[in-house]
Amino acid sequence: EAQVTQNPRYLITVTGKKLTVTCSQNMNHEYMSWYRQDPGLGLRQIYYSMNVEVTDKGDVPEGYKVSRKEKRNFPLILESPSPNQTSLYFCASSLLGSETQYFGPGTRLLVL
Amino acid sequence: EDQVTQSPEALRLQEGESSSLNCSYTVSGLRGLFWYRQDPGKGPEFLFTLYSAGEEKEKERLKATLTKKESFLHITAPKPEDSATYLCAVQARGTGRRALTFGSGTRLQVQP
Repeated sequence: EAQVTQNPRYLITVTGKKLTVTCSQNMNHEYMSWYRQDPGLGLRQIYYSMNVEVTDKGDVPEGYKVSRKEKRNFPLILESPSPNQTSLYFCASSLLGSETQYFGPGTRLLVL
Repeated sequence: EDQVTQSPEALRLQEGESSSLNCSYTVSGLRGLFWYRQDPGKGPEFLFTLYSAGEEKEKERLKATLTKKESFLHITAPKPEDSATYLCAVQARGTGRRALTFGSGTRLQVQP
């Protein structure tokens, strides 16, 4: 089944403790992206990647890092999480020749 | 700055009662307008992409239309399983990062 998977789905952590949220897709998509969803603000793009080793900032990149060493994986790294990063995070992917992005199931993060 | 405004914020319908959801947008050159459905605790599920004014697309009880300033999602004879949050998003032309700018969504509840 074609899909985008994320792990973990739920995470509670404390301020300053480094964490990684993984994202993987099995559709051979070149483009991958991370969004965060907050009440009243909609989904906002954090980082994106056009292909392996090509990443760039989205609208709200502060406090996040990403890497793209393999085509299928695009992990999101929070090196020193803060409470304002409590949110619902979604990974998305698409073919470069298509505008349609397909989303993962989401990761709900709580930073205490 | 690209903007998307959805109305109403919430809508309660009786089963079989048709209605429309509105998405008003401003964008610096439209590459595409997207409708997604989001169920609680899940990622956005792709419904439609519209590219130019006058375009229409249909899927089961849903029909999406597009003008130069807004899009409508018409729901004909809805069923309880149509209950979800419907998200509208735009993608601007000429931006390599392909970010989707989302509205805050319309929460639809269809009562039996």
